[in-house]
Amino acid sequence: AQKVTQAQTEISVVEKEDVTLDCVYETRDTTYYLFWYKQPPSGELVFLIRRNSFDEQNEISGRYSWNFQKSTSSFNFTITASQVVDSAVYFCALSEAGNQFYFGTGTSLTVIP
Amino acid sequence: NAGVTQTPKFQVLKTGQSMTLQCAQDMNHEYMSWYRQDPGMGLRLIHYSVGAGITDQGEVPNGYNVSRSTTEDFPLRLLSAAPSQTSVYFCASSYSPASSYEQYFGPGTRLTVT
Repeated sequence: AQKVTQAQTEISVVEKEDVTLDCVYETRDTTYYLFWYKQPPSGELVFLIRRNSFDEQNEISGRYSWNFQKSTSSFNFTITASQVVDSAVYFCALSEAGNQFYFGTGTSLTVIP
Repeated sequence: NAGVTQTPKFQVLKTGQSMTLQCAQDMNHEYMSWYRQDPGMGLRLIHYSVGAGITDQGEVPNGYNVSRSTTEDFPLRLLSAAPSQTSVYFCASSYSPASSYEQYFGPGTRLTVT
């Protein structure tokens, strides 16, 4: 079974629209960590955020915000007022024991100008 | 700092050939790892290391060997390449324990096995 599910394979939005990328995870551990990474068309992987299982406080960083809900095992990512530069593949990842990481299959976001 | 470097950027192998993908980091990170990225599969962990002399298997270790003789280097060896190993390979590093820190990724190596 997938430990991290990103059900949205591809999303297209028009510039300035808001978009939410879904991430659902599965773990039996009480201590775990969740991450989001961005992979632009150039191919490199860029870290966006890390959240531990004890911190359910939502976070906002500029146009980016993250909603962590343990009750639904979700860690969703919202981009407000999307821009063309946001076009990329976004990966959600889970770490349980500190050294093993499980990535979702990614959501490809296209922002249309 | 150069960060995480990988060589080569591109490689074509024939089935049965062996090769080593190189990975180096200059950030004094204890944790290093190798992933493969395949279409529709995301990134999957192959092997990781929490320090020199210590390695362990990830999710998809079969067909790959690693060693960690220094903090800086973490090469990935394909002993007998198979077409199923055609993929993009990423090396990453971080402080340890890795879950407490962001991972820095190299630029990737695109490997084709014919």
